[in-house]
Amino acid sequence: DVKVTQSSRYLVKRTGEKVFLECVQDMDHENMFWYRQDPGLGLRLIYFSYDVKMKEKGDIPEGYSVSREKKERFSLILESASTNQTSMYLCASSLIPGKSFNTEAFFGQGTRLTVV
Amino acid sequence: ELKVEQNPLFLSMQEGKNYTIYCNYSTTSDRLYWYRQDPGKSLESLFVLLSNGAVKQEGRLMASLDTKARLSTLHITAAVHDLSATYFCAVDPPGSGTYKYIFGTGTRLKVLA
Repeated sequence: DVKVTQSSRYLVKRTGEKVFLECVQDMDHENMFWYRQDPGLGLRLIYFSYDVKMKEKGDIPEGYSVSREKKERFSLILESASTNQTSMYLCASSLIPGKSFNTEAFFGQGTRLTVV
Repeated sequence: ELKVEQNPLFLSMQEGKNYTIYCNYSTTSDRLYWYRQDPGKSLESLFVLLSNGAVKQEGRLMASLDTKARLSTLHITAAVHDLSATYFCAVDPPGSGTYKYIFGTGTRLKVLA
């Protein structure tokens, strides 16, 4: 089974702090994603990466950055946390097109971040 | 820009009844996904629909895809309480070169005993 593991289930941080959210997958997937989930807004894509050291902006990248130094690990960084970044953050991974018919994304358990 | 809309957003139904959740998307795509999310949990993949006319069934849930109409449906047959969850559809935007997964806002389903 594909396993996507996020480093924390719950985090509470102060405004202005630098925050790191870590995600690791064990299925050798090329693609990795960070989403945030807010009530009534569904899941919104923050950043994704299709290879080591590669990254692309999603729909809401402002206030976030990412790092992918190893294939299995994708980090989301909040340079200076703000209260409007309080949310559920979900990491996901998937294969690249053409490798398999298993094209869906597999999700981690989520990190609920509260910025106070 | 690809937009994905689901309706209804909330659905409360009696056990034993049938209902359909709709997922409309704004630009061409040949890949559509349905996910389930239980409260406080992550997303679990239900169905992957890869071509026009695709139909998949698992238990009381059946999903279909009409790429010409840019519409997918998730049909619930004889609902049971265990199906209470939030259901999301996601679409892969064309021309992205890789999978990208743009999600709808979700449909929160509550099945009443």
